[in-house]
Amino acid sequence: NAGVTQTPKFQVLKTGQSMTLQCAQDMNHNSMYWYRQDPGMGLRLIYYSASEGTTDKGEVPNGYNVSRLNKREFSLRLESAAPSQTSVYFCASSSLTGAQQETQYFGPGTRLLVL
Amino acid sequence: GENVEQHPSTLSVQEGDSAVIKCTYSDSASNYFPWYKQELGKGPQLIIDIRSNVGEKKDQRIAVTLNKTAKHFSLHITETQPEDSAVYFCAARYNNDMRFGAGTRLTVKP
Repeated sequence: NAGVTQTPKFQVLKTGQSMTLQCAQDMNHNSMYWYRQDPGMGLRLIYYSASEGTTDKGEVPNGYNVSRLNKREFSLRLESAAPSQTSVYFCASSSLTGAQQETQYFGPGTRLLVL
Repeated sequence: GENVEQHPSTLSVQEGDSAVIKCTYSDSASNYFPWYKQELGKGPQLIIDIRSNVGEKKDQRIAVTLNKTAKHFSLHITETQPEDSAVYFCAARYNNDMRFGAGTRLTVKP
């Protein structure tokens, strides 16, 4: 049971390049999330998927797109990377949705540098 | 939306002392308050959480208290050990909206 896995661990991009961050969970969780973490700002939600086939914007969605490929996998795409997207990206998953309280389990993160 | 403020941003204690981290939230509808520990180069890990119908919860050396009227909650770590050194995040959640504090870097000196 690996929990939440993310690939790649590190990535360097040039401004304007595109890339996809991959996330997978093996806990049979319904909900999945993408966060970014910047110094002094905690974690901010980019997008989430409450269940397979649905996605919704979070606090900072601009410049990103997501795909919930199946119950296990949730990818984050940067179509045209900008230096402001330099950050550490975390994927998380949880088992409950909607108004119910939930515990989120985080992956190890992807460190992205955009030059 | 929810706004979570966390204090202090850094905290240094001597091994064996207690550490307290405080958070305030703005949305009275928030009903779930987790605390996460993040070690260098790793993702956040849940250490304790509390729901809005409970005032206090303990798990060995860790406790969390919630004051819904004042909209603040606190993390208490007793008998601190060097391995408690990490960044701690509080969060407040209503439905799918989870907002995190900016984090507290705790250093426990041997």
